[in-house]
Amino acid sequence: AQSVAQPEDQVNVAEGNPLTVKCTYSVSGNPYLFWYVQYPNRGLQFLLKYITGDNLVKGSYGFEAEFNKSQTSFHLKKPSALVSDSALYFCAVRDDTSGTYKYIFGTGTRLKVLA
Amino acid sequence: NAGVTQTPKFQVLKTGQSMTLQCAQDMNHEYMSWYRQDPGMGLRLIHYSVGAGITDQGEVPNGYNVSRSTTEDFPLRLLSAAPSQTSVYFCASRNPAGNTGELFFGEGSRLTVL
Repeated sequence: AQSVAQPEDQVNVAEGNPLTVKCTYSVSGNPYLFWYVQYPNRGLQFLLKYITGDNLVKGSYGFEAEFNKSQTSFHLKKPSALVSDSALYFCAVRDDTSGTYKYIFGTGTRLKVLA
Repeated sequence: NAGVTQTPKFQVLKTGQSMTLQCAQDMNHEYMSWYRQDPGMGLRLIHYSVGAGITDQGEVPNGYNVSRSTTEDFPLRLLSAAPSQTSVYFCASRNPAGNTGELFFGEGSRLTVL
């Protein structure tokens, strides 16, 4: 079965420091991977996706993600964290096995950027 | 553009009551879905639809019904609410252009069942 894992419930980082939020996946076939962000009392917002091509994907708000096929990982990164980046981050994989393209989400990682 | 609109934003029910969570999108998306979000469990798929007249079950469908009579609307019905259905519910739709599209989410509906 397709799945994603976010091994850290929470990540703390100082403002200005680089941040990494980890995601590993398990899929059969080509992985289609996504990152979303959720601010308090809001819906999820799309950040970036990997479909094919370059292993480094750039997205919204200065975020990027590195796809690593050998390690089955898709970690979210940002060179310099802002306090406003504090939010809940979800990794997701699209399940193509049934032909209906369901999306499977990780359990989320809460990012806390400290001033 | 309104995007994905969910109503109501908040609802309190008593056990056994029924209600419908409404979801509407104005982006002409064929794919629509309902998720529930619970602490420590991420988002779990309840039901989804790949077009008008077509629905299918997700990971946690029990206790929920859906229908899709139009492209725009995808209501989620709770026929007899239970405390285990206390959660935040999100409706999401996807761009039909190709099949690599990301999901667009509504703002959520917070449901409490007493």
